[in-house]
Amino acid sequence: KQEVTQIPAALSVPEGENLVLNCSFTDSAIYNLQWFRQDPGKGLTSLLLIQSSQREQTSGRLNASLDKSSGRSTLYIAASQPGDSATYLCAVPWEDTDKLIFGTGTRLQVFP
Amino acid sequence: KAGVTQTPRYLIKTRGQQVTLSCSPISGHRSVSWYQQTPGQGLQFLFEYFSETQRNKGNFPGRFSGRQFSNSRSEMNVSTLELGDSALYLCASSLRQGFGTEAFFGQGTRLTVV
Repeated sequence: KQEVTQIPAALSVPEGENLVLNCSFTDSAIYNLQWFRQDPGKGLTSLLLIQSSQREQTSGRLNASLDKSSGRSTLYIAASQPGDSATYLCAVPWEDTDKLIFGTGTRLQVFP
Repeated sequence: KAGVTQTPRYLIKTRGQQVTLSCSPISGHRSVSWYQQTPGQGLQFLFEYFSETQRNKGNFPGRFSGRQFSNSRSEMNVSTLELGDSALYLCASSLRQGFGTEAFFGQGTRLTVV
C-alpha cells in the first residue's frame, strides 16, 4: 500500500531564505510525482510534475528532484517571498490510474 | 485556456438533505477525479471517471455517487447529508487516464452541513 509523508509539517522562515520541503513514498514503482500549492480555502495549483524517468524539474524559483530508489522527492524554493506562504502537497498516482495519493502537506509561512 | 470549473463555490445544507456538485474539466480533458478535503483526514479520493465510466472508487459510503457525461463534465451527489460531510470537495481533470498525466484542480466547492 502506497503511503506518502511530508516533513516538516510546518515551517516558518524569514523572507529571502532558501527552503527544502521533503516528500517520502513507500512504493518506488511510481509513474510520476506531482507537487501542488494550496492557499487557504482554495483549490490546488500544480507546481511541478516529475515523470519517473526524470531526476529534476525546474520552474522559476522552484526545483523538484526525484529519487525513486530511495522513495524521496524534494522541493527546493529559492529566495523565498511572503507570497510563497501556503501549504505544499506532494502526490503520487496509484498504479497507472488518476487516483492520487497525497501527503499531509507542509504549511509554509514566509515573513517579511 | 479556461481551467477546471466547479460550481457552486459554496453550499450550506441541512442534515438529511442531498446535494449535487458539478465539475467542468479543462477543454479536451477526458479524465475527472473527485476528492474530499477535511482538516482531520486531509485529501481523500472519492471517484475517478474516464469516458463516462467510473474507473476507481474510494472508501466512501454508498451515499456518495457520481457520474460523467459525454462532454466529460462530471457531477457528484451526496444523499442523506451528515455533519461529517462538511468539507472542501475538489475536482481534478487530466488529459487522459493514468500513465503520468498531470492533474489540474478546480477551486473546490465548500459544503457546510448544519
